[in-house]
Amino acid sequence: SQQGEEDPQALSIQEGENATMNCSYKTSINNLQWYRQNSGRGLVHLILIRSNEREKHSGRLRVTLDTSKKSSSLLITASRAADTASYFCATMIYNQGGKLIFGQGTELSVKP
Amino acid sequence: DGGITQSPKYLFRKEGQNVTLSCEQNLNHDAMYWYRQDPGQGLRLIYYSQIVNDFQKGDIAEGYSVSREKKESFPLTVTSAQKNPTAFYLCASSPPGELFFFGQGTRLTVV
Repeated sequence: SQQGEEDPQALSIQEGENATMNCSYKTSINNLQWYRQNSGRGLVHLILIRSNEREKHSGRLRVTLDTSKKSSSLLITASRAADTASYFCATMIYNQGGKLIFGQGTELSVKP
Repeated sequence: DGGITQSPKYLFRKEGQNVTLSCEQNLNHDAMYWYRQDPGQGLRLIYYSQIVNDFQKGDIAEGYSVSREKKESFPLTVTSAQKNPTAFYLCASSPPGELFFFGQGTRLTVV
């Protein structure tokens, strides 16, 4: 079962622009996590935001969480060609044994 | 150099064969997970283990089996009962309730 839905499915921007990806989910969560995947590679973790947090930053990344709307967003500022990848949100649900449920992902293309 | 290692990187399976994918971690994590990824799709959970000698089915466990005899190792067997095994398989480990660490994946193809 897929808990998270991501929007947009694909995003193409120019270097230097900001990229925003959104994630919606259905049930109450323990935390929400964002991952990056370069083509044909494993996933790399980016940020974890807990259900009692509203915003977190890491370098050029900013994640927000709105538990009333069951949604999260990932903002990448001043994007670079090297940011080209797929980005996934994943939710960890209460009393579900610590497993993560992933969304379908957003494919980001940053053109130089 | 700590991390999670999957092998092989590429694997070819003939119809009716069982194959085993290796996943080893030296991060001292209790929890380990196997996911399947199809082209253009998100990850779907096959099996997970919160502790040695215990594991649970995920959303798509049919046609797969696992074992967890050691903390460091969580091998996945794709059996002949799995009718559409061609996919990218990802193993992960994590501390409780925290970010996951993923291996580089094994790409399995049926020939």
